[in-house]
Amino acid sequence: AQKVTQAQTEISVVEKEDVTLDCVYETRDTTYYLFWYKQPPSGELVFLIRRNSFDEQNEISGRYSWNFQKSTSSFNFTITASQVVDSAVYFCALRSDNYGQNFVFGPGTRLSVLP
Amino acid sequence: EAQVTQNPRYLITVTGKKLTVTCSQNMNHEYMSWYRQDPGLGLRQIYYSMNVEVTDKGDVPEGYKVSRKEKRNFPLILESPSPNQTSLYFCASSPLAGEQYFGPGTRLTVT
Repeated sequence: AQKVTQAQTEISVVEKEDVTLDCVYETRDTTYYLFWYKQPPSGELVFLIRRNSFDEQNEISGRYSWNFQKSTSSFNFTITASQVVDSAVYFCALRSDNYGQNFVFGPGTRLSVLP
Repeated sequence: EAQVTQNPRYLITVTGKKLTVTCSQNMNHEYMSWYRQDPGLGLRQIYYSMNVEVTDKGDVPEGYKVSRKEKRNFPLILESPSPNQTSLYFCASSPLAGEQYFGPGTRLTVT
């Protein structure tokens, strides 16, 4: 079975602090894809990043960075110098070819960035 | 503009009255899916489709039906809605191995 765990239900930080959102996944498949999505208070779901299982390179996009480690089945997301606009619910998700291509989302982490 | 559209955005209905939520995408994506989002439970997949006439159950399919007669459309049907189907529903589409793009959501209340 596939599973995504985001152990942090809610996190509060003060603006300009760095924050890391944890994601741990489970799959028996050797080919899979990991994603992060952002859901701001307005409710839409915004795609942030995709990482393929065969590509363990870390990625940086502006203040955002992602650390993919297959050895620990983790795909963590770090926001550097957080801003109030980063306040949202963040979802980690897993997609695996051998499970009919269904997506599994983690329960989400609610991030509040206080001014 | 590439997008996924859903209609209606808000719906209040009564128990047992059949309803359909439409979903359409203009990106020629093979894969489409439906999710419901409930507080504390995150996003749970209801049904998905890998191509026309190919649909499969997700994690919470009970009480829902779908069809995929055309590549761009993937309606969600509630034959006999019940209050426990009150939720926020999202439609999404993607290429077969890519990221999903989500519609704006449909907030459904069943009284």
